[in-house]
Amino acid sequence: SQTIHQWPATLVQPVGSPLSLECTVEGTSNPNLYWYRQAAGRGLQLLFYSVGIGQISSEVPQNLSASRPQDRQFILSSKKLLLSDSGFYLCAWRPGTGAWETQYFGPGTRLLVL
Amino acid sequence: SQQGEEDPQALSIQEGENATMNCSYKTSINNLQWYRQNSGRGLVHLILIRSNEREKHSGRLRVTLDTSKKSSSLLITASRAADTASYFCATDATEGGSYIPTFGRGTSLIVHP
Repeated sequence: SQTIHQWPATLVQPVGSPLSLECTVEGTSNPNLYWYRQAAGRGLQLLFYSVGIGQISSEVPQNLSASRPQDRQFILSSKKLLLSDSGFYLCAWRPGTGAWETQYFGPGTRLLVL
Repeated sequence: SQQGEEDPQALSIQEGENATMNCSYKTSINNLQWYRQNSGRGLVHLILIRSNEREKHSGRLRVTLDTSKKSSSLLITASRAADTASYFCATDATEGGSYIPTFGRGTSLIVHP
């Protein structure tokens, strides 16, 4: 069966510090991968998605970046965090085979920038 | 931009009552999905309805889709306190051959025991 991992679960970082959040998927090949951010009490904002190794599409311009160094690994990064980067970050995957597929979400990382 | 928009934003009911949440969207879709999120957790998929389907059931869940009105509803029957969560609809847009799910802001459901 497939599983998705995210770490860390919680992170407190000072403004201006770098960020690296990691997401890995097990039990599937060539998944579509997604990074979302959720502000408190709000919906999900799609940040990045990837359909393959090294292929990253950005939905929202910001100081964040994403990389996919391996088929089942998706990394969210920042060189210098802003206060506005605080939020709940969710990684998700779905089979890259068609339109009628479900997304599966990781447990999330709660980021607080102080 | 938000494709799906849930209504109401918040819903408070007593255990045993039915809960109905609505979702409206703007563009043509391939499918529409409903997810549930417990506080501080990831989203869990509940049900997917295809654009050529009108109604779908799963346990106490009933989802309808009206593509002419670009709307969907999620009905939870005989609600339980454990149903307390946020519920999101997501629609699929096709972008350059990739399928991009877009989520609404969600409905926060509280079921009082």
